[in-house]
Amino acid sequence: DAKTTQPNSMESNEEEPVHLPCNHSTISGTDYIHWYRQLPSQGPEYVIHGLTSNVNNRMASLAIAEDRKSSTLILHRATLRDAAVYYCILRDGGYTGTYKYIFGTGTRLKVLA
Amino acid sequence: KAGVTQTPRYLIKTRGQQVTLSCSPISGHRSVSWYQQTPGQGLQFLFEYFSETQRNKGNFPGRFSGRQFSNSRSEMNVSTLELGDSALYLCASSHDQGLAGGGIQYFGAGTRLSVL
Repeated sequence: DAKTTQPNSMESNEEEPVHLPCNHSTISGTDYIHWYRQLPSQGPEYVIHGLTSNVNNRMASLAIAEDRKSSTLILHRATLRDAAVYYCILRDGGYTGTYKYIFGTGTRLKVLA
Repeated sequence: KAGVTQTPRYLIKTRGQQVTLSCSPISGHRSVSWYQQTPGQGLQFLFEYFSETQRNKGNFPGRFSGRQFSNSRSEMNVSTLELGDSALYLCASSHDQGLAGGGIQYFGAGTRLSVL
């Protein structure tokens, strides 16, 4: 089965950059890598996604390894509102039949004022 | 544009009963996915529907089922409830593609099910 591996928790000081890693060594060739985050008492919300190249949006950047077996979510300046559980997600399955989506255990990010 | 709406927000059932949860996707979205979230197992994918057809399925027993209607609204049903089915059930909608195809999913606030 496919699997994502993330650190259980990380801490960052406010206004400093944060790098959240994810290993996904079993990723299939054309599957996108997604990152979502979940704030307390809310459903997950989209952060960023990418296929092969590094990606930037207003929330974050995503750095994808050349072999696609790992990725890193980068929050350029962490704020208190960024405190959440961050999940990287990939699809598990072959190219026939149905698939399932795998959420890792997530990284709980704590931002210190 | 209204977000993903899940009803009810909270539900209490007893073992052996069945339950139906409802999800109204964002207008224009044709894909609906369901997830179970528990403290022990985290977020687990249940199934995904697209245009009334199940497109992907996770590793859950047959007691968990779902369907999607022609207006893209979706329901999931759990029969013969067990204590371990107590969880937050989340619904997410996307326009067309699933996650693997680059589609972005928008999640509802969830239905919290407690089985006594």
